[in-house]
Amino acid sequence: QQQVKQSPQSLIVQKGGIPIINCAYENTAFDYFPWYQQFPGKGPALLIAIRPDVSEKKEGRFTISFNKSAKQFSLHIMDSQPGDSATYFCAASRSRDDKIIFGKGTRLHILP
Amino acid sequence: DAGVTQSPTHLIKTRGQQVTLRCSPKSGHDTVSWYQQALGQGPQFIFQYYEEEERQRGNFPDRFSGHQFPNYSSELNVNALLLGDSALYLCASRFRGGYGYTFGSGTRLTVV
Repeated sequence: QQQVKQSPQSLIVQKGGIPIINCAYENTAFDYFPWYQQFPGKGPALLIAIRPDVSEKKEGRFTISFNKSAKQFSLHIMDSQPGDSATYFCAASRSRDDKIIFGKGTRLHILP
Repeated sequence: DAGVTQSPTHLIKTRGQQVTLRCSPKSGHDTVSWYQQALGQGPQFIFQYYEEEERQRGNFPDRFSGHQFPNYSSELNVNALLLGDSALYLCASRFRGGYGYTFGSGTRLTVV
């Protein structure tokens, strides 16, 4: 059973465009939703995270939108750059002490 | 300030052998988790260590075992290796009570 469903699997966007990656979850006990960015040959790096009591969070060009009633959240990348080309993972956990459950990832390619 | 350090970076083992992977957490971090990332997939939680004890375990067989040392470093041991154990093994650390894990670059294990 996949607890965090992520889409699309891959995404190609022109430089300056706004890629959007979507995730859905079932377990209402989740209370922490991080996004990770992973470059080839590297481990995932925490990009931005949100708690369910907040509907939106911005950090630089990255924005998370969170819809608690729909159990969905998404990542938007403003003014995307070729350097943003990477694999992005949404994730969730029940508490700060609990394991992190990852989605399957979205491979993003930003065209120059 | 060094982040999470894993060794070795790459490893080739024969089916049936045993392997030990090592992890040094980021300075100030006391909780270590291990993840398995198959090619093209999201990381899957193996187990978490805190105060030298296994605190949580994912859906992995007993062939996977671990240890945490007094200096918070950790080892992952896999016995009776199978071809399906070929993956990137990631170590992640955090300060207990805080959100957000820092991941290492992983150990790429190939079982032939």
